[in-house]
Amino acid sequence: DTGVSQDPRHKITKRGQNVTFRCDPISEHNRLYWYRQTLGQGPEFLTYFQNEAQLEKSRLLSDRFSAERPKGSFSTLEIQRTEQGDSAMYLCASSLVDISEAFFGQGTRLTVV
Amino acid sequence: GQQVMQIPQYQHVQEGEDFTTYCNSSTTLSNIQWYKQRPGGHPVFLIQLVKSGEVKKQKRLTFQFGEAKKNSSLHITATQTTDVGTYFCAGYSGAGSYQLTFGKGTKLSVIP
Repeated sequence: DTGVSQDPRHKITKRGQNVTFRCDPISEHNRLYWYRQTLGQGPEFLTYFQNEAQLEKSRLLSDRFSAERPKGSFSTLEIQRTEQGDSAMYLCASSLVDISEAFFGQGTRLTVV
Repeated sequence: GQQVMQIPQYQHVQEGEDFTTYCNSSTTLSNIQWYKQRPGGHPVFLIQLVKSGEVKKQKRLTFQFGEAKKNSSLHITATQTTDVGTYFCAGYSGAGSYQLTFGKGTKLSVIP
């Protein structure tokens, strides 16, 4: 296992369309995080999974956003009815134990036109 | 909610000069982490500090955690062109939250 893998790397979509991103964490890591990063900003926390349980969601997370982690392995992040403000880099990270080193994937860059 | 501020936002240094970035939290942190993000890359973990007043060194990098666990700093001695990137601090407030709050980062440019 070479690290956290995200797919696709880039996504261009029209406003109003739905998009889904996938994250494959490091295999033995049962903690998984989604972050969003815009230009000139630090990563912004979206949600956290421990195994298949979604334990925390950002209060800033719109109800258009949903994340799943079936069977505690890979995770998906879906954005419904995309808006131009959703354009950002979506980063996935995983860790072995709580509040320890997080390993980030390369991210999915979303552009909403 | 918890806020993490970093200064400066940008820093340009001549190769060989020292560099320091400062991080301040609005709340007491259970721990603080530092990450480096190269241009076009993803954040890469550098270090984690947990104890009040803790100081850790990694070659030319020195990390400090304040006594009150609300501030931290990263100091790089004799910068090299390989140090170019954005340095982020990120903190956990604890209290049952797994949310790692990042600062906006300090973008370091090194002039050869």
